[in-house]
Amino acid sequence: AQTVTQSQPEMSVQEAETVTLSCTYDTSESDYYLFWYKQPPSRQMILVIRQEAYKQQNATENRFSVNFQKAAKSFSLKISDSQLGDAAMYFCAYREYFGNEKLTFGTGTRLTIIP
Amino acid sequence: DAGVIQSPRHEVTEMGQEVTLRCKPISGHNSLFWYRQTMMRGLELLIYFNNNVPIDDSGMPEDRFSAKMPNASFSTLKIQPSEPRDSAVYFCASTSQRGLREQYFGPGTRLTVT
Repeated sequence: AQTVTQSQPEMSVQEAETVTLSCTYDTSESDYYLFWYKQPPSRQMILVIRQEAYKQQNATENRFSVNFQKAAKSFSLKISDSQLGDAAMYFCAYREYFGNEKLTFGTGTRLTIIP
Repeated sequence: DAGVIQSPRHEVTEMGQEVTLRCKPISGHNSLFWYRQTMMRGLELLIYFNNNVPIDDSGMPEDRFSAKMPNASFSTLKIQPSEPRDSAVYFCASTSQRGLREQYFGPGTRLTVT
């Protein structure tokens, strides 16, 4: 079974600085999807960024980018120019490319932005 | 476009009562997922449907839980009888078969069983 591990329960960063959240996963599949979701205090789950495993190029969405290391099974999220609105829980998630469509989530990292 | 709609947003009930949570997926999406979020277990899939057919219900805790999807625009998750350990946030999500098939989540229902 696939597992997703987020080893940083909490992180903090100064406003306007850069922070990296870590995620590792375990799978025997070669094709799959990886996602980062943001959950602010409103508890709404918001998709931040996605990565297809067969693509070598790291995904980027504005201030958010990933460092996808397939061999190491690592998928970290970098947030540049941190803003107060980035404060939230961040969840890493895995999904098979074929077959079962369910998302397997990590335990989350709570990100605090220091003004 | 309307996102995934869930009702109610909050539910407080007494142990032993029946609880029904409702979900309307995004129009045109053909897969629907029910997840539960708790402090102890995090986010976990309960069940998902594809074209209204249950595909994976291995996460449904026990017979007290049941889910239905009578048509493409509506699903229910029922707990009968409810227990305090069922207290959690229940999310519904939907996805299209096209593109990267990202799951879009509803706002969740916070259930408290006293």
